[in-house]
Amino acid sequence: GAVVSQHPSRVICKSGTSVKIECRSLDFQATTMFWYRQFPKQSLMLMATSNEGSKATYEQGVEKDKFLINHASLTLSTLTVTSAHPEDSSFYICSAELRTSRFETQYFGPGTRLLVL
Amino acid sequence: DAKTTQPNSMESNEEEPVHLPCNHSTISGTDYIHWYRQLPSQGPEYVIHGLTSNVNNRMASLAIAEDRKSSTLILHRATLRDAAVYYCILRHYYGGSQGNLIFGKGTKLSVKP
Repeated sequence: GAVVSQHPSRVICKSGTSVKIECRSLDFQATTMFWYRQFPKQSLMLMATSNEGSKATYEQGVEKDKFLINHASLTLSTLTVTSAHPEDSSFYICSAELRTSRFETQYFGPGTRLLVL
Repeated sequence: DAKTTQPNSMESNEEEPVHLPCNHSTISGTDYIHWYRQLPSQGPEYVIHGLTSNVNNRMASLAIAEDRKSSTLILHRATLRDAAVYYCILRHYYGGSQGNLIFGKGTKLSVKP
């Protein structure tokens, strides 16, 4: 159980185009999902927290107009990188929070590798 | 958020136990200790978490010092598939909710056949 998927797994796009990445919790409902970015040989950096039915909360330094997040259902959150540039090339990883009566645990997707040419 | 300190890298031999240390001297009473691992080119994988008592699951054991200022993740028999970066993260618990996961640099574990 607690499986999170991402689509696509990798994408190559031209500079100036927009790219949408989907994150799905396959066997549980997630009120909260998270988006991270990881550059080569670095650790994960939290970009934003996505709450179902409300606006996302962005971390300091992350442009909300550039990284559009939509969490329209309890199993799907999307990240759209608008007007992508080569510096946006990175490994984007989502996670979904599984809440039980006792605890909350984040489960991560396999990641999406974005290359902007 | 309280910080954790981990060795940059460790090596282990296959089928031997591995003890991955983590120091968190500024831990607060409501900080949970979480461990995740990340295999190359994959998203992190939840390993285990604890508060005060030692914890065991099918993947690993977590030994927490009595003063909670350090903890050790124990892999009982390392396999080649355990080669990964292991992250020790403190997650604050407040008002019925958990704080964000803040990833440090982790420990890169290499397993030799």
